[in-house]
Amino acid sequence: QLQLQESGPGLVKPSETLSLTCTVSGGSITSYSYYWGWIRQPPGKGLEWIGSIYYSAITYYNPSLKSRVTISIDTSKNQFSLQLTSVTAADTAIYYCARHKFNSGWYNFDYWGQGTLVTVSS
Amino acid sequence: DIQMTQSPSSVSASVGDRVTITCRASQDISTWLAWYQQKPGKAPKLLIYTASSLQSGVPSRFSGSGSGTDFTLTISSLQPEDFATYHCQQSNSFPLTFGGGTKVEIK
Repeated sequence: QLQLQESGPGLVKPSETLSLTCTVSGGSITSYSYYWGWIRQPPGKGLEWIGSIYYSAITYYNPSLKSRVTISIDTSKNQFSLQLTSVTAADTAIYYCARHKFNSGWYNFDYWGQGTLVTVSS
Repeated sequence: DIQMTQSPSSVSASVGDRVTITCRASQDISTWLAWYQQKPGKAPKLLIYTASSLQSGVPSRFSGSGSGTDFTLTISSLQPEDFATYHCQQSNSFPLTFGGGTKVEIK
């Protein structure tokens, strides 16, 4: 059974960089069939897609965050990571990692991590 | 970007009720739409993909319909475990976008 697990600091200071890692177990991150993505949810609000990465390091980002986001992949560790720079209180959210298919139209998320709350505060 | 608009934002219903939630896309997305259920403190769970296909293990009281810009999620007979927030998402193209969510509450 595929499992995804987010890890990283739960508290980040304003203007600093948020860094999270998603570890995939029970399956290979190098599968040709899937993208690996990050989604966030501010407390009490809706879901926002941050970006997705393919095993070959092809990436797509949300235009609203693109200038501050980098998603990378480490196939040797079966992990992918998120970096978000210059954070503010508006970046406080639960951050989820998840998987979706490679084929256009099939970009629905079928496996999710449990989520990790990141608070931006001094 | 494709904007997704859900309505209502919340609905109060009783066990056994039929509940319908609507999602509208700002442009034609064919049937490239997914629905998720999210319970408090939990990650979203995929219910329906390609507008009407039921994800494995999801009860048949859940159904989805629609194409183009207008879509519907229906719960035919609401059960206690169905009280949750439901999100739609267009799976057609990047950037991926979600609706604002619909909270199904106990009446």
